[in-house]
Amino acid sequence: QQQVRQSPQSLTVWEGETAILNCSYENSAFDYFPWYQQFPGEGPALLISILSVSDKKEDGRFTIFFNKREKKLSLHIADSQPGDSATYFCAARGGVTSGGNYKPTFGKGTSLVVHP
Amino acid sequence: DMKVTQMPRYLIKRMGENVLLECGQDMSHETMYWYRQDPGLGLQLIYISYDVDSNSEGDIPKGYRVSRKKREHFSLILDSAKTNQTSVYFCASSLSLGGGNTLYFGAGTRLSVL
Repeated sequence: QQQVRQSPQSLTVWEGETAILNCSYENSAFDYFPWYQQFPGEGPALLISILSVSDKKEDGRFTIFFNKREKKLSLHIADSQPGDSATYFCAARGGVTSGGNYKPTFGKGTSLVVHP
Repeated sequence: DMKVTQMPRYLIKRMGENVLLECGQDMSHETMYWYRQDPGLGLQLIYISYDVDSNSEGDIPKGYRVSRKKREHFSLILDSAKTNQTSVYFCASSLSLGGGNTLYFGAGTRLSVL
């Protein structure tokens, strides 16, 4: 059961453009949404995160826009650089395992390629 | 230095052999995780450990078991490995109980089962 969905699966942009990565969720109980960045051969690492009480979070060239009513959020990467080429995972806090314990829920990721 | 360390980084095993993947963290985090990552499937949760000897199944626990005897160390065991367990395995840890907040990931173990 996938409760966090990401689109597109892959995205290619030119250097300097704004890349927009989308994420949606189903569970109203989700209250915290971290985005992780993963380079080839490495583990994911936290990039930026937002709490559901906010509608926007900025960190340099990276901005999360959050729409609680529609259960959607997006990650905007302004002035994209070739070094931003990576896989980006949207995650949510508030999922539950089959045993009833809390767990983080990950989307399947968006693979971003930035061409110079 | 906040770090999650996975050993080994690469492993080749034959079908039917036992596999032990090890993970350590130096942040005294209560919660630790094992994920596997396959192309197009993202990160799939195998097991969560909320503390020593307090483990819970994730979404795909079949064929795996875990051991956590010390807070800083979490092992994933494959008894009689199967070819469909070929994957990249990631260990992660987080501060809070309940699986929330920031996860810190290791660099992964690439396992091939022949």
